[in-house]
Amino acid sequence: RKEVEQDPGPFNVPEGATVAFNCTYSNSASQSFFWYRQDCRKEPKLLMSVYSSGNEDGRFTAQLNRASQYISLLIRDSKLSDSATYLCVVNLGGTASKLTFGTGTRLQVTL
Amino acid sequence: EAQVTQNPRYLITVTGKKLTVTCSQNMNHEYMSWYRQDPGLGLRQIYYSMNVEVTDKGDVPEGYKVSRKEKRNFPLILESPSPNQTSLYFCASSSTLKGLYEQYFGPGTRLTVT
Repeated sequence: RKEVEQDPGPFNVPEGATVAFNCTYSNSASQSFFWYRQDCRKEPKLLMSVYSSGNEDGRFTAQLNRASQYISLLIRDSKLSDSATYLCVVNLGGTASKLTFGTGTRLQVTL
Repeated sequence: EAQVTQNPRYLITVTGKKLTVTCSQNMNHEYMSWYRQDPGLGLRQIYYSMNVEVTDKGDVPEGYKVSRKEKRNFPLILESPSPNQTSLYFCASSSTLKGLYEQYFGPGTRLTVT
């Protein structure tokens, strides 16, 4: 089983739609969770951290379910500019020495 | 401007010809890391460094070397490149002072080994 698993997609949604991605992780000791965004052939960039109580940043909402070992990302009112690959990232904690990346979920927002 | 730079951005080379990919950051970050990204496999860590003169293996270190003689630089060395090292390589850095885990990535180096 992969340490971090994501549905690769692609998710094709119309502009304005709400879309959700899930990610599961295998190590119950994992302490920190993130969503990164990666545009085609570009470097990944941090989208948001995921906190235990859930957190929101504009149109983006992240949730963590420790019991089931998954995190989710919800994007409301999708924009064309949201088209990208979304990477789920997990850290066992302590230092930043080991971030484990999922393979990513590709989102394509269309007119 | 805070950034991570990598050079070269694109490189085509032949099997066995030693090469170095440079990485430099201007944010005074303690932590630096190298990743490779391959289709279907995601980002995999090659080596990382917690500070000057402190380096350690990641998940896929075979065939690679690194050094950290200065805080800002973290070069990746391929002593004898092979075709299975054809990949997209990213350098990243982050500060560990506040337990911050956001990593800043360089623009990537696309390496082809023939």
